[in-house]
Amino acid sequence: DAEITQSPRHKITETGRQVTLACHQTWNHNNMFWYRQDLGHGLRLIHYSYGVQDTNKGEVSDGYSVSRSNTEDLPLTLESAASSQTSVYFCASSEGTGASEQYFGPGTRLTVT
Amino acid sequence: GQNIDQPTEMTATEGAIVQINCTYQTSGFNGLFWYQQHAGEAPTFLSYNVLDGLEEKGRFSSFLSRSKGYSYLLLKELQMKDSASYLCAGFLGSASKIIFGSGTRLSIRP
Repeated sequence: DAEITQSPRHKITETGRQVTLACHQTWNHNNMFWYRQDLGHGLRLIHYSYGVQDTNKGEVSDGYSVSRSNTEDLPLTLESAASSQTSVYFCASSEGTGASEQYFGPGTRLTVT
Repeated sequence: GQNIDQPTEMTATEGAIVQINCTYQTSGFNGLFWYQQHAGEAPTFLSYNVLDGLEEKGRFSSFLSRSKGYSYLLLKELQMKDSASYLCAGFLGSASKIIFGSGTRLSIRP
């Protein structure tokens, strides 16, 4: 069965470290998204991609970067982790270019100390 | 910007009906999604409305009025497992992306 996975599921890191969160989908979807979810803010879009070599900034992209070298993976990198980036991170994918249902990964809980 | 507003919390009784409202700015959004999210889990898709009116799917129905910038999710015959957060999200056609509201946490009491 097709799925979308994230790793690690939990991560504790120190301020200033570089961290990469992995997202892998086997749906063969062109579209992939990264969100963060914090209490009181709901899901906020960090970066998204509509295909290989395509990346776009979302509403809270500062301090984050992504790269899309193949259809299946969209890793999210925190260049220099800050305590404000402590959050739950969700990756999602969808097919097509219009309004399509997004399939979410199980999430990664990141704590920056 | 595209603001989406929904109540923070609601409580309802098992077996009853509850309506969760969502309002948004009328410009920009081409349709409305509803997602369900249980505590500690990922959001899962419930419905998508692109035209005005009511869409029914089992115990769940979703309504959209584009001219009023208004949507609601109606849950019937509530069950304890319906205790979750319900996220309203607008589809921004110009950028092909979804903007989420903060979610409504629904608690079901016996």
